Amino acid sequence: DTGVSQNPRHKITKRGQNVTFRCDPISEHNRLYWYRQTLGQGPEFLTYFQNEAQLEKSRLLSDRFSAERPKGSFSTLEIQRTEQGDSAMYLCASSFQGAQETQYFGPGTRLLVL
Amino acid sequence: KNEVEQSPQNLTAQEGEFITINCSYSVGISALHWLQQHPGGGIVSLFMLSSGKKKHGRLIATINIQEKHSSLHITASHPRDSAVYICAVVIQGAQKLVFGQGTRLTINP
Repeated sequence: DTGVSQNPRHKITKRGQNVTFRCDPISEHNRLYWYRQTLGQGPEFLTYFQNEAQLEKSRLLSDRFSAERPKGSFSTLEIQRTEQGDSAMYLCASSFQGAQETQYFGPGTRLLVL
Repeated sequence: KNEVEQSPQNLTAQEGEFITINCSYSVGISALHWLQQHPGGGIVSLFMLSSGKKKHGRLIATINIQEKHSSLHITASHPRDSAVYICAVVIQGAQKLVFGQGTRLTINP
């Protein structure tokens, strides 16, 4: 257990539905990252926050995706009008800004869109 | 072409063998990470390198900045080392990690 938690751990939904995932980082970490991993591939960057500010978004993050970190603590990732291609593992990581910055990963949320 | 390439993609070995996994990258980086991912998804950071060599138990990681290459070695491999090992780099001037596709390692007893 790295101290980063994600909920739910698994989500099955029908195409067209909206889903929301939550990430609770290690409490003193000011940076939070979202990644997506499809089967057999390495993770891909989606977005990251420093405190409550969303500083970078990947081109992978279409208009259907939105992420928030309203108080600089937990974060949510929402996918609207899900598509089958959204099926993946969604990983959250947190870190404390510094010279030897290590990202600590949560267990992930596995999404299956039917 | 991916910015981070790992080889081999799959590796099967017998318990006790010396294991080497390679990572090459094509961009300027500020750091390189080696990560371990077990079935079920959990990712654990093994090493963060910006130069030279690091050792932790039976694991050794090296990086050659000029050649843009890193290796992860496992000595006296054990079935519990079976996992996916992922190389990831921090591109200079950025914060995000860019990942290789991973190397699936299976150690048979």
